Amino acid sequence: AQSVTQLGSHVSVSEGALVLLRCNYSSSVPPYLFWYVQYPNQGLQLLLKYTTGATLVKGINGFEAEFKKSETSFHLTKPSAHMSDAAEYFCAVSERGGANNLFFGTGTRLTVIP
Amino acid sequence: GAGVSQSPSNKVTEKGKDVELRCDPISGHTALYWYRQSLGQGLEFLIYFQGNSAPDKSGLPSDRFSAERTGGSVSTLTIQRTQQEDSAVYLCASSFGSDLYGYTFGSGTRLTVV
Repeated sequence: AQSVTQLGSHVSVSEGALVLLRCNYSSSVPPYLFWYVQYPNQGLQLLLKYTTGATLVKGINGFEAEFKKSETSFHLTKPSAHMSDAAEYFCAVSERGGANNLFFGTGTRLTVIP
Repeated sequence: GAGVSQSPSNKVTEKGKDVELRCDPISGHTALYWYRQSLGQGLEFLIYFQGNSAPDKSGLPSDRFSAERTGGSVSTLTIQRTQQEDSAVYLCASSFGSDLYGYTFGSGTRLTVV
């Protein structure tokens, strides 16, 4: 069974500081991995995804994530936070070759302090 | 259309009434999903349609919830005899039907049951 754990429901960083949002998954086989961002009163937008190949994945808005199989992790990072990054971020997994359902974490709300 | 369209964007209804929520997916997307996002919680899977296959209804919380997808395109989520705990944002997403691509989400319908 798939499950996703996002450590920290709220993360605050100063503008210009490193952003690190944690995601760990539980799966019998390495899944496909996704990060979504949700801005206030909007739907979810795909930031980046890992399916195969290079384990460091670059997404939109300067975000990137690294798939680490040994740690069953897919943490999201950005070197320098911008005020516009304030949003809720969701990590999600889906099973390779299985049903197409995405299993979502409970989300991490990122606050950027000026 | 260019994106996933959901209507209405907001719905306030009295307890006990029935409501219908509409989702118009991206043209050509064979898969369609409904999720529920309650305040402070992650996304809860409700139902999944893939082409002409029988839908996966495993996430529907009770028999008051139902959904249909007509002609492989537009979907309607119906909640009968609404309860206050049904208040949430209902998100629709569509995809090409492979978990390689992730989903494209609509902006959601915010349902408030008073």
